[in-house]
Amino acid sequence: ILNVEQSPQSLHVQEGDSTNFTCSFPSSNFYALHWYRWETAKSPEALFVMTLNGDEKKKGRISATLNTKEGYSYLYIKGSQPEDSATYLCASGGGGGNKLTFGTGTQLKVEL
Amino acid sequence: ETGVTQSPTHLIKTRGQQVTLRCSSQSGHNTVSWYQQALGQGPQFIFQYYREEENGRGNFPPRFSGLQFPNYSSELNVNALELDDSALYLCASSGALGLAGLVEQFFGPGTRLTVL
Repeated sequence: ILNVEQSPQSLHVQEGDSTNFTCSFPSSNFYALHWYRWETAKSPEALFVMTLNGDEKKKGRISATLNTKEGYSYLYIKGSQPEDSATYLCASGGGGGNKLTFGTGTQLKVEL
Repeated sequence: ETGVTQSPTHLIKTRGQQVTLRCSSQSGHNTVSWYQQALGQGPQFIFQYYREEENGRGNFPPRFSGLQFPNYSSELNVNALELDDSALYLCASSGALGLAGLVEQFFGPGTRLTVL
């Protein structure tokens, strides 16, 4: 993996469904993996910053795991709600000076 | 605590013109990074300023330049605008120049630039 890649590109789920997305990143020279939630017309909002292999973080119904050896992170949303509709971006921190390399995002739409 | 703000919200320019975008960092933050998000892409790192000095630059030509002021607010200047410069420009502030990418960054809502 040379770049940060996210899948799927978009996702439609029903209210109450649980869902997950994948972020793949270069495992060499790894420093940190960031997850952001970005609602339309708003600022990207930081969800998690993860640094350690095997790290798991949780915020309400949203959780994330990290595997730095194989270069992937999963973001899980339990019991999706319409307000979870947003684009979820992951970014790898590296290269000095807080530079973030972003994926193209997963666009989630939660329908009633 | 005041969040990151950017101005203007939207801007339309013609090819060859120059543009200045502004960013006010979150209170207490001394590092500002600028990103360009073209349609269908993730944000791309342009450069970062720490205590008024450029501290890292992405793969952008010299016509992209910046400034950081003593109050840690920042400007992004783009000269000789090209059609491909049409994008959303985001700034992000953080509280300290930590190890690469370890520090949570706080983003503004962006400036939408259209070049005709």
